[in-house]
Amino acid sequence: GQNIDQPTEMTATEGAIVQINCTYQTSGFNGLFWYQQHAGEAPTFLSYNVLDGLEEKGRFSSFLSRSKGYSYLLLKELQMKDSASYLCAVRNDRGSTLGRLYFGRGTQLTVWP
Amino acid sequence: DVKVTQSSRYLVKRTGEKVFLECVQDMDHENMFWYRQDPGLGLRLIYFSYDVKMKEKGDIPEGYSVSREKKERFSLILESASTNQTSMYLCASSLWLAGGAQETQYFGPGTRLLVL
Repeated sequence: GQNIDQPTEMTATEGAIVQINCTYQTSGFNGLFWYQQHAGEAPTFLSYNVLDGLEEKGRFSSFLSRSKGYSYLLLKELQMKDSASYLCAVRNDRGSTLGRLYFGRGTQLTVWP
Repeated sequence: DVKVTQSSRYLVKRTGEKVFLECVQDMDHENMFWYRQDPGLGLRLIYFSYDVKMKEKGDIPEGYSVSREKKERFSLILESASTNQTSMYLCASSLWLAGGAQETQYFGPGTRLLVL
């Protein structure tokens, strides 16, 4: 089966940096996605990693270590609008589960002024 | 921009009713998915489809069925709604890339269903 683990809640203050971790155990790994979901809205794509290393996109960066089954999302210069749930999802490309995404339960980030 | 639309944002139904949730995407994506999202449980996959008339069970298919008669449309059917199907339902679509990898999934706005 697939096991994806991330913290349930995190808090931080405006202007700070926060790191949201995600660990996974899966067979047929073929990439890891991060999504942002504001309350009452649909998830929106933030980042994608398939090779080890850091991918930077503005204030957001995502890191992957396949050997450790570990990823993190780094948010810099936090803003109030970054308060949201952050979902880690692993893509599986093996057999009958080809193309599926397996989601963690999400990390609710609250940014305080 | 990819657009995934769902027929209703909010829906109230009675126990035992047959419920249809419609999802339409306008980007010619092969893959379409139905999830439900509940507090503390995250996103759970109900059914998915890789092509017209194809369907695959996800993790929680019991009590649901799906229909994909056209590429752009994927319908979720609750045969006989029950109170434990009260949830947020999210549809998503994605594209196959060259080499067999799947692009990111794009989500619709969701349908919040209340079954009384």
